Amino acid sequence: EVQLLESGGGLVQPGGSLRLSCAASAFTFSNYAMTWLRQAPGKGLEWVSTISGNGVGTYYADSVKGRFTISRDNSESTLYLQMNSLRAEDTAVYYCATRRYGRYFDSWGQGTLVTVSS
Amino acid sequence: QSALTQPASVSGSPGQSITISCTGTSSDVGGYNYVSWYQQYPGKAPKVMIYDVSNRPSGVSNRFSGSKSGNTASLTISGLQAEDEADYYCSSYLGSSTYVFGTGTKVTVL
Repeated sequence: EVQLLESGGGLVQPGGSLRLSCAASAFTFSNYAMTWLRQAPGKGLEWVSTISGNGVGTYYADSVKGRFTISRDNSESTLYLQMNSLRAEDTAVYYCATRRYGRYFDSWGQGTLVTVSS
Repeated sequence: QSALTQPASVSGSPGQSITISCTGTSSDVGGYNYVSWYQQYPGKAPKVMIYDVSNRPSGVSNRFSGSKSGNTASLTISGLQAEDEADYYCSSYLGSSTYVFGTGTKVTVL
């Protein structure tokens, strides 16, 4: 069974940085695109960023473009999200998800909470 | 890209059928047959229930069905059960590996 385990969340001040990780197991990580999504407290889901299996293609929501960087280490089966210039509106639970079978997200991690506050 | 529009809440009695709509534009829902639906319980990660408009992943009950007409997609839950009480989100592919989600619908089983 696919396992995705996010880590790295926490409390950070506005303007600060944080790096999230997502450790994957039980599937051939390098073969598939991976995605970060988020959900602000009491709000809906938002797509944040996707990276291709080989790491060459990266895609971002306008709300994070220029501030967030998605990357992956296929040798370690780990996905990353480097978040800079954080704002209060970035406060959310961040999920990583796989996109193995088509244009939808078939497996999700349990999420990690990022709180941006002074 | 604006979020897709869903009703904030839908309710029904056990055994009834309910339908959740998801309205977008010709640039999202109407432009691609890549609409998916996710079920989310409080404090839990979402789970895909429908993909590519009307396909069910293995293990998802056949009480869940999806359809699309023009710029509006729909999720129907038939034979409503207490365990179906959750939040539901639609999502549409936008091309170039980008996506948009719906505003979310809270389903209440009366």
